Amino acid sequence: NAGVTQTPKFQVLKTGQSMTLQCAQDMNHEYMSWYRQDPGMGLRLIHYSVGAGITDQGEVPNGYNVSRSTTEDFPLRLLSAAPSQTSVYFCASSLTGSPTGELFFGEGSRLTVL
Amino acid sequence: GQSLEQPSEVTAVEGAIVQINCTYQTSGFYGLSWYQQHDGGAPTFLSYNGLDGLEETGRFSSFLSRSDSYGYLLLQELQMKDSASYFCAVRGGQAGTALIFGKGTTLSVSS
Repeated sequence: NAGVTQTPKFQVLKTGQSMTLQCAQDMNHEYMSWYRQDPGMGLRLIHYSVGAGITDQGEVPNGYNVSRSTTEDFPLRLLSAAPSQTSVYFCASSLTGSPTGELFFGEGSRLTVL
Repeated sequence: GQSLEQPSEVTAVEGAIVQINCTYQTSGFYGLSWYQQHDGGAPTFLSYNGLDGLEETGRFSSFLSRSDSYGYLLLQELQMKDSASYFCAVRGGQAGTALIFGKGTTLSVSS
């Protein structure tokens, strides 16, 4: 059971370039989310989705787009990368209705924008 | 919106007991969770409190007081491997579906 898989694990971009961080889960979780983690800032929610076709903004959505066409996949798009988007990105999923709401995280994608 | 406050750093020695506090403000409350993250790794779920009181899982316990908007994580019989960051989190967003994290507490355990 792979759980939550993120690709790529490492990426270097130049300012203004675009890219997509991929996230896939094989646990049939309805809920999926993206966080960014910066030193001293904890995990900040970018976007989340409660099911296919439904997405919503989190705490820091500017500069990022998401879509949810299938239950399994939740890609995060950077349309025009900026140095401020240098961060570690985590995708996480959970089963809606779980009593604890336990989130299962991917291993992270480390992005550097030059 | 939601906001959470927790200490940025805590230090302790092996075998000791440490308590990491978390105070929160949220418009709707759906429970307090705790996550652990080792350096370079992904966060992992530790515990959840939906109701007031203490939840125990091995060496770790978590407490919640909804009237005080306060909770804590208690780590007993500390081991070196417990050195990590610990995050409290509450649900926010639409109908409390999204998990909002505090900034984390870095625990350093020394011998």
